[in-house]
Amino acid sequence: QQPVQSPQAVILREGEDAVINCSSSKALYSVHWYRQKHGEAPVFLMILLKGGEQKGHEKISASFNEKKQQSSLYLTASQLSYSGTYFCGTEYGSNDYKLSFGAGTTVTVRA
Amino acid sequence: GAGVSQSPSNKVTEKGKDVELRCDPISGHTALYWYRQSLGQGLEFLIYFQGNSAPDKSGLPSDRFSAERTGGSVSTLTIQRTQQEDSAVYLCASSLWRRYEQYFGPGTRLTVT
Repeated sequence: QQPVQSPQAVILREGEDAVINCSSSKALYSVHWYRQKHGEAPVFLMILLKGGEQKGHEKISASFNEKKQQSSLYLTASQLSYSGTYFCGTEYGSNDYKLSFGAGTTVTVRA
Repeated sequence: GAGVSQSPSNKVTEKGKDVELRCDPISGHTALYWYRQSLGQGLEFLIYFQGNSAPDKSGLPSDRFSAERTGGSVSTLTIQRTQQEDSAVYLCASSLWRRYEQYFGPGTRLTVT
């Protein structure tokens, strides 16, 4: 069962902030975030395990709200290099190990 | 160090033919995943290998799809009697252990004519 990402696309100017949401209709065990630039393979950003933790990678951070069955990715003071499509991948159980990916959110950062 | 490699990078085949896609994971990585990405779409899980355990095949879309991993290293994804809807980029990823970060290969773009 695929998680739902929103928004589908966002356009930012350098320095602006954005939030990408990943929601599930089922209880989540973990959420993984990846970024894929056009024509390239996805690259890992971070993993969040249930417990409501928050993590950061450069000026990109994420939170995981178990109760709401959702995760949010925060792009702070965006840079041109943040452009790409962001995917969340979800695990539904501690013995799951396979990821169900959302459809992606395309982020375009303009100078 | 060497990353995940996949071959061929591009494959054009006629409908009804069989194809084999190869993945060489990062040395020492015990987990290997196959995904499919259609144009402008997300990643669709196909199959997962972990060490010598039985693979999780729950994502394979039909019995025309199969995969094996020999010696805990190289993996081959085979699609028999290809259909046009099989056209997509097939991505392989490996990780040190399950639930660790996945390192993706460059993918194989399959076009079925």
